[in-house]
Amino acid sequence: DAKTTQPNSMESNEEEPVHLPCNHSTISGTDYIHWYRQLPSQGPEYVIHGLTSNVNNRMASLAIAEDRKSSTLILHRATLRDAAVYYCILRDFFQKLTFGTGTRLTIIP
Amino acid sequence: GAVVSQHPSRVICKSGTSVKIECRSLDFQATTMFWYRQFPKKSLMLMATSNEGSKATYEQGVEKDKFLINHASLTLSTLTVTSAHPEDSSFYICAGEGGGASTDTQYFGPGTRLTVL
Repeated sequence: DAKTTQPNSMESNEEEPVHLPCNHSTISGTDYIHWYRQLPSQGPEYVIHGLTSNVNNRMASLAIAEDRKSSTLILHRATLRDAAVYYCILRDFFQKLTFGTGTRLTIIP
Repeated sequence: GAVVSQHPSRVICKSGTSVKIECRSLDFQATTMFWYRQFPKKSLMLMATSNEGSKATYEQGVEKDKFLINHASLTLSTLTVTSAHPEDSSFYICAGEGGGASTDTQYFGPGTRLTVL
């Protein structure tokens, strides 16, 4: 499985945008970039995914570099409920998800 | 979004007993279900993948006779931990995929915390 690299932790102030980076230099042409997040003591929650183009949904935006070797998850206006571990995962079509250690996001009131 | 439930949310049992955990997809038909386990402060580890009506495929190092998985219908999968021991204490999470929900997206249950005394 192609690997991703994320910072262990990040902090952000409430009501400000958050940019969570992910590096995936060995990504293959058929790998989708998936983001999930896990709140304390809960199962992971799907956030967003994309292949080449930037993607937006009600939760977040996903910005994908032109060479696809990196991507950024953007939370436009962080709230305390966004405090979670965010996982960036590469996944070929219908292959299994392999979770890394993710980025622990702390929101400062 | 698609909803997956798990029951029970937490269970405490004595060593040597068996525990069954149910996973249900409430508003979609999960053609594939996944079972994960997560130890404290660690990431999720996939245990097995099951397709409705077929035998589960277990990941390397996961004992299939200890962790029995049944996926008898498109909305229900069960994980039975047989002869549980304290080292089986963990957070068990299921996920469903397919059939009416967004394709290529896994929808996770809230997890079941198992404590074996």
